[in-house]
Amino acid sequence: EDKVVQSPLSLVVHEGDTVTLNCSYEVTNFRSLLWYKQEKKAPTFLFMLTSSGIEKKSGRLSSILDKKELFSILNITATQTGDSAVYLCAVSTLDNQGGKLIFGQGTELSVKP
Amino acid sequence: GAVVSQHPSRVICKSGTSVKIECRSLDFQATTMFWYRQFPKKSLMLMATSNEGSKATYEQGVEKDKFLINHASLTLSTLTVTSAHPEDSSFYICSASDPRPAGVTDTQYFGPGTRLTVL
Repeated sequence: EDKVVQSPLSLVVHEGDTVTLNCSYEVTNFRSLLWYKQEKKAPTFLFMLTSSGIEKKSGRLSSILDKKELFSILNITATQTGDSAVYLCAVSTLDNQGGKLIFGQGTELSVKP
Repeated sequence: GAVVSQHPSRVICKSGTSVKIECRSLDFQATTMFWYRQFPKKSLMLMATSNEGSKATYEQGVEKDKFLINHASLTLSTLTVTSAHPEDSSFYICSASDPRPAGVTDTQYFGPGTRLTVL
């Protein structure tokens, strides 16, 4: 059975800290891995990763994929209170359903002032 | 970026009634839309994949007669929860794959979600 596992499930840090969120997966026919940020409503897209070792960066956020070890990390540097959210990792598999995503449980990040 | 809207954002209904939720892609055409539900403190669970002009594909354990999906156009999919019961109360979220740029369809953009409460 395909599965995506995130760790830690929750994390509390102070502003300015750097955090690393982990996502490991076991799926057949991997296609891509995506990171989303979910605040009070629906998830917003952060990154899509398809190749190993190529870092994607957006401001203070960055992410990288290791297809050999089957995991990805999401780094947030100089955290701010606005980074508080649930971060979701999802894996897209190769099938004929148009990009079906399998989600991890999420990591709830809380950034304290 | 791609924008997906959902309506209504919140609905409260009596047990036994049916509720329709709309999902629209506002600035792109989506041949495929997805419906998820999310319980508090839990991740998103895919309910079904909605393909324009054809029947939806439901995930295992999801009753297709209870959760009716219609994808009549390239910008609109609807989810109808029929004969709703309190256990159907949940956060329902739709998403759509933006086919731009060509060949990259994995990125799903989510609607803002609909909070359904069945009394």
